[in-house]
Formats: sequence, C-alpha cells, structure tokens
Amino acid sequence: EVQLVESGGGLVQPGGSLRLSCAASGFTFRSYWMHWVRQAPGKGLVWVARISVDGSATKYADSVKGRFTISRDNARNTLFLQMNSLRAEDTAVYYCVREMYGYAWPIDYWGQGTLVTVSP
Amino acid sequence: QTVVTQEPSLTVSPGGTVTLTCASSTGAVTSDFYPNWFQQKPGQAPRSLIYNTDNKHSWTPARFSGSLLGDKAALTLSGVQPEDEAEYYCLLYHGGVQQGLFGGGTKLTVL
Repeated sequence: EVQLVESGGGLVQPGGSLRLSCAASGFTFRSYWMHWVRQAPGKGLVWVARISVDGSATKYADSVKGRFTISRDNARNTLFLQMNSLRAEDTAVYYCVREMYGYAWPIDYWGQGTLVTVSP
Repeated sequence: QTVVTQEPSLTVSPGGTVTLTCASSTGAVTSDFYPNWFQQKPGQAPRSLIYNTDNKHSWTPARFSGSLLGDKAALTLSGVQPEDEAEYYCLLYHGGVQQGLFGGGTKLTVL
C-alpha cells in the first residue's frame, strides 16, 4: 500500500524557517518524481514544487522560488521541503504528492498533509 | 500572470450529468497541458481522478470521464451520486515555464 506521511509542520514566526518531511512507503521511492502542493485555510490547491527521481531537476512556483528548496533522500525514502523567509501567506496545509512517471505529470497519490502556520 | 479558471459552483440532481471545465488564460487547453482532475471532500486530502486528459486511475468510478471540450479540459460526471458532492480541481502543466497551475476549484452540489 502506497503511503505518504508528512511531518514537520507547526507555528513559525514571519521570516523564520521550517523543514517539512514526507516519509514514503509501499513503493520504490527512488523511481518516482515527487511534488509539494499546498492549500491555505479555506482556499484552493496551489502547486509548489517538483523534483526528479534523482533530485537533479527541480522546478518551483514563482511564489516560492528562491525561498523554498525541494530535495530528497532516496536511501531514506524521504522527500523534503526547506522553507526559508516564511511569510503569512505561506500558511497552509502542505501535501506530499507522487507522480506516476516523469512526463505528462500524472499525479496519483497524496499524503494527508501537514499544517504550517506563519504568525507572530 | 497565467490563470486557470473553473466554474466556481455547479448544481446537479442525483442521477444527472454535469460537465466541469478548466481553461487557461494562455489560450486553448490541449493534451500538452496534461490535465489532471482531483476531488476533495471537506476535511480530507485531495484524491486523484483523471490524469493526462482522459486516463482514469484504478480507483476512479466509471461515471467520471475526462476530455478536451472546445478549448478547455473537461470532467464529466454521468449518473451523479450523492457522494459526488465535493470540490473538484483541475491541474494544468504549462510547459513554457515548466510549472503546474491549479484551477480555483468547482464546488459541486448534488441536490
């Protein structure tokens, strides 16, 4: 059974940093592209970032470029999102998402999400 | 700034058929946008329904289908069930910037 379990969310002050993790199990993690997607309270989904199977290729939404870094540790079956210079508008549930294969963006599995709150 | 647009809300009767659409401000949506569709119920994580325009996952009910309709991507529900009441989101890949963009979501009410 495919499982994606996010952790690392919490309350952080504006300008602060936070590192999210996503523990993957039930599939060969190193063979899949991965994404982070976020959702502000009561709002819609927003794509955040994407990473290739070996971590050599990454892409970001304009709203987080230069502040967030997506990475992965295939030996530990874990996806990360390093978030720096956090702003109030970064407050959201962050979802770890799997892509079935590395072209045509076929999204299949989602984690349950971890809440990040940016507030003084 | 590119915007992906969906109907904010739609209402359908049980057993009826409804089509949700997904447009891009860059122009016509084609298969090169690799449209995905997702369903989200209150308090739950999103669930994937359709990928690459019209492909279903193994868990996607047969009453859901994806297509291109004119210059938009479309999700059609045929024989709507009460449990289909949810928020539906499309995701389009914009190759020029290699980024994904979600639509604002459609709140589907089954009444």
